[in-house]
Formats: sequence, C-alpha cells, structure tokens
Amino acid sequence: GAGVSQSPSNKVTEKGKDVELRCDPISGHTALYWYRQSLGQGLEFLIYFQGNSAPDKSGLPSDRFSAERTGGSVSTLTIQRTQQEDSAVYLCASSLSPGGGNQPQHFGDGTRLSIL
Amino acid sequence: AQSVTQLDSHVSVSEGTPVLLRCNYSSSYSPSLFWYVQHPNKGLQLLLKYTSAATLVKGINGFEAEFKKSETSFHLTKPSAHMSDAAEYFCVVTTGGFKTIFGAGTRLFVKA
Repeated sequence: GAGVSQSPSNKVTEKGKDVELRCDPISGHTALYWYRQSLGQGLEFLIYFQGNSAPDKSGLPSDRFSAERTGGSVSTLTIQRTQQEDSAVYLCASSLSPGGGNQPQHFGDGTRLSIL
Repeated sequence: AQSVTQLDSHVSVSEGTPVLLRCNYSSSYSPSLFWYVQHPNKGLQLLLKYTSAATLVKGINGFEAEFKKSETSFHLTKPSAHMSDAAEYFCVVTTGGFKTIFGAGTRLFVKA
C-alpha cells in the first residue's frame, strides 16, 4: 500500500522567505509526527498530532515554526522568515494510535531544505 | 527519564562477516524498543521491534536483536553482512504514549 508521502522532496529558498512542507500520512494512521534531521545529527522531535487532540508543540524550536493537520490527515509544516540554520531534512512519520508506545512509526523520505 | 546510547558512531565490517551494532537504553518503565535503518536520501525503515514478548526479536533482511533487561541492552546483529546493508542504523525507545527517543545513529560500512 501507499506509504507516507512528503513534498517537495527538495526545496531551495532564500533566507527570509517562508516555506511550506507537506506530509500525507498512511490512511488510517491517527498519529503524525514531524522531525528535523540536521547533517551528522540524530532526529529532533518537532511536533505531534493525535486524532482531534491538541497537538504537542513542545519540540518546535521557535515561533517561526508552525504546523497544522487538516481533517486528521494531511499536515503542513510552515517555517516563516527562514534562517540558514533551518537547513536540514524534515521528516514526517505516521502511526496507529501510540497507546502504550508500541506502535512503530512509518517515515516518509523527507524534504531536504536548503536556505541560501 | 528515558535515554538511548548507541555505543559506536561508525562500524566497519567486511562482506560476509557478522554485524554487531550496540545499543543501551535507560527507562523507568517497561520500554518498547525499535531498530530502524536509513539509506541515503531515504526515510527511516523499521527493521524490528521489541514489545515485551520474546526477548529475541527477528526482523527483516536477516537482522535480529536480543533484549537483555539485566544489561539494559538491545544490540542488533546479523550473521553475514551484505553490501546493501551499508546505511545508518537508529536504536529507538518509547515508554508509553508518543514520546520517542532516538539514538544518535551508527553508520555501518561494508567492505567488499
């Protein structure tokens, strides 16, 4: 079946511009996660959506970052006034309801963001 | 508090020899543990998971891992490395809910 789809796969933009990254999760997955992976580093949690509950935004690094999830499906991560330190790969993952934490996450291939 | 430590940032093996990628965890509760693999320009792919059933877990592509509570370890092994196994491997722990802790990753090199 279809996996997690992210678009665009690559994005190059100038410092100060806004960018939108899209994630289309696996159908039926109620949980959706955004992570940032910087060169040579591990995964940094950004935000978590579960069903209709308020998202956990505790990982967002600044108020320039925001995300929404419409209709419990597609999610958009927006970065305003981009800075060079925002350059990274942004990964989206989805899963069935985490419950006891034993549901594996399914990842998209990411959006590679480069800020000039 | 939860934490995950991958003991080697890089591991190099020859094709056909065994692979051992080491992972130690710290958790106050019964953890769920996962290993993921990431190939260049790809997302993470699940290799295997431990969720309090059998302590020896078999995954895809011939990988397996053994949960050892007394040693708080969850090392990943494969009897015979293949060139296609060259990638980055992440050990991951969760202890309820959505909170997920990723290890820093181990890059596996496979020499012909």
